[in-house]
Amino acid sequence: DQQVKQNSPSLSVQEGRISILNCDYTNSMFDYFLWYKKYPAEGPTFLISISSIKDKNEDGRFTVFLNKSAKHLSLHIVPSQPGDSAVYFCAGNRGGSEKLVFGKGMKLTVNP
Amino acid sequence: GAGVSQSPSNKVTEKGKDVELRCDPISGHTALYWYRQSLGQGLEFLIYFQGNSAPDKSGLPSDRFSAERTGGSVSTLTIQRTQQEDSAVYLCASSVRVGKNIQYFGAGTRLSVL
Repeated sequence: DQQVKQNSPSLSVQEGRISILNCDYTNSMFDYFLWYKKYPAEGPTFLISISSIKDKNEDGRFTVFLNKSAKHLSLHIVPSQPGDSAVYFCAGNRGGSEKLVFGKGMKLTVNP
Repeated sequence: GAGVSQSPSNKVTEKGKDVELRCDPISGHTALYWYRQSLGQGLEFLIYFQGNSAPDKSGLPSDRFSAERTGGSVSTLTIQRTQQEDSAVYLCASSVRVGKNIQYFGAGTRLSVL
């Protein structure tokens, strides 16, 4: 049972354009969501998070949107930069549970 | 160091051998987690330690897997009688248990079972 789904395995965008990474979840008990970025041979790096009481959180070029009724969240990167090329993981957390439940990841390539 | 440290970075072993993977969390972090990432998959939760509480072992895939955390700091994940399906990247993370659960990851140990 895959509770967090990233249905697109990859995305390619031009430098300066917007990157939109999508994530769907099935567990309605999740109340906190996180995005991690991972470069090859490195561990995942925390990027941005959002609580279920919000529908948007912004940090510089990164914005996460949460649609609870659709059980959907998305990460927007504007403008995209070549250094953003990495694998992005979406994760959900249920209040009171310590583990993060991750999607399979999505590879973003930003072309110069 | 400032980050989560894991060793070794790579481990190649023969089927049936035991392996030990080490994690040194960020100083002051009371929570420590182990995950693994198999090829083409997301991160799979294995086990969680918080302070002196009993660990949450709910993610361990079989009784060949065990972990301990000594002195509330360094943790060792042990896999006994390794199988080829154990091949994966094993990731350790730690967090400060204040507020939201942002976990900080090490670079991982890539385990290859031949």
